[in-house]
Amino acid sequence: QVHLQQSGPGLVKPSETLSLTCTVSGASVSSYYWSWIRQPPGKGLEWIGYIYHSGDTKQNPSLKSRVTLSIDTSKNQFSLKMNSVTAADTAVYYCARTTREPGPWGQGTLVTVSS
Amino acid sequence: DVVMTQSPLSLPVTLGQPASISCRSSQGLVYSDGNTYLNWFQQRPGQSPRRLIYRVSNRDSGVPDRFSGSGSGTDFTLQISRVEAEDVGVYYCMQGTHWPFTFGGGTKVEIK
Repeated sequence: QVHLQQSGPGLVKPSETLSLTCTVSGASVSSYYWSWIRQPPGKGLEWIGYIYHSGDTKQNPSLKSRVTLSIDTSKNQFSLKMNSVTAADTAVYYCARTTREPGPWGQGTLVTVSS
Repeated sequence: DVVMTQSPLSLPVTLGQPASISCRSSQGLVYSDGNTYLNWFQQRPGQSPRRLIYRVSNRDSGVPDRFSGSGSGTDFTLQISRVEAEDVGVYYCMQGTHWPFTFGGGTKVEIK
């Protein structure tokens, strides 16, 4: 059974960098694409981007310039960095396996952008 | 971006009765590999989304057979044949054909 465990701070200051990691068990990160999705409080779901172990990445054009995705096969984990955050980036962030049919998902991390 | 429009926004249902959620995409969802990447997710209160249906009509392992998906082109439907108390939550459709992938706005299913 594939399980995704998210980690990272729940509070980030405006203009700083949001960093989250997703550790995978039950599957190798070298075998699938891996995605990040977010959900602002009370709002719908927004795709952030996805990554493959080869380095192939794709980011939502609305966020592309601020997002960096990376993967560490030695730790079986993948990561999200988003710079220059504002209050609009306050959301629950999810990691998920695959892209076109994402599942399973991580437990979600509420990241609040506030000073 | 492809816009996914769900209806209704809210769906009060009596236990044991059927429920139906509609999802319409602003573009056709057939990918170059011939597959139609239309998924349905259930998000129970306080939980992460869980995939129920992938590629229009394929039910995920462990999903009760009272859930079914159908549709083609730009019109898709999720049906629950007999709603149970555990089905309360928000349901989302999502297209995985055109980048960036997009979700519908969600349909909240509640018990009358």
